[in-house]
Amino acid sequence: GQQVMQIPQYQHVQEGEDFTTYCNSSTTLSNIQWYKQRPGGHPVFLIQLVKSGEVKKQKRLTFQFGEAKKNSSLHITATQTTDVGTYFCAGPRDSSYKLIFGSGTRLLVRP
Amino acid sequence: SAVISQKPSRDICQRGTSLTIQCQVDSQVTMMFWYRQQPGQSLTLIATANQGSEATYESGFVIDKFPISRPNLTFSTLTVSNMSPEDSSIYLCSVDYRLQETQYFGPGTRLLVL
Repeated sequence: GQQVMQIPQYQHVQEGEDFTTYCNSSTTLSNIQWYKQRPGGHPVFLIQLVKSGEVKKQKRLTFQFGEAKKNSSLHITATQTTDVGTYFCAGPRDSSYKLIFGSGTRLLVRP
Repeated sequence: SAVISQKPSRDICQRGTSLTIQCQVDSQVTMMFWYRQQPGQSLTLIATANQGSEATYESGFVIDKFPISRPNLTFSTLTVSNMSPEDSSIYLCSVDYRLQETQYFGPGTRLLVL
């Protein structure tokens, strides 16, 4: 069945260092989305990418959708302690409104 | 974005009992979903709550264990029946209120079963 994997599972960085998480789908996706879940919180929608090769930026966050629409990445420049949390990618399932979520990357930032 | 609330926010329950979780949205939405998130894990879709018809369950989840109601376009309930410690999880409702395949989540219900 359709699978979405993320690497790394976990990353611990020094504040100010950069961070990247990678998302890979077993199938081509019509779009890819990213969510952030703070410790003890719920997932919060960050962004949706639709076009092949699309790149979007939100302040220090850069999101990219692969040319084949099967992979994506989230890059954070100069991490801050407020970036702590788990980052999930997600894609539509079976051409429906359902989503399949990636395994998540947990980011910890040392002050 | 939609404002979504869930009740209760957390509960500790005894095995064999049932708990009903409520999800309220501040606007009418067509698509409403229920997820389970076990500690340190990703989100697993339990079912899609359909207004006016039975919920659609994902593989591994059955109506007898997780009955769902959706009486209108702003409200849904999920019941966790005959609970066991394995049901200890966070239960989240979400909505796709813009029908753009993006979802907005409620704050979650943290359930511990003893």
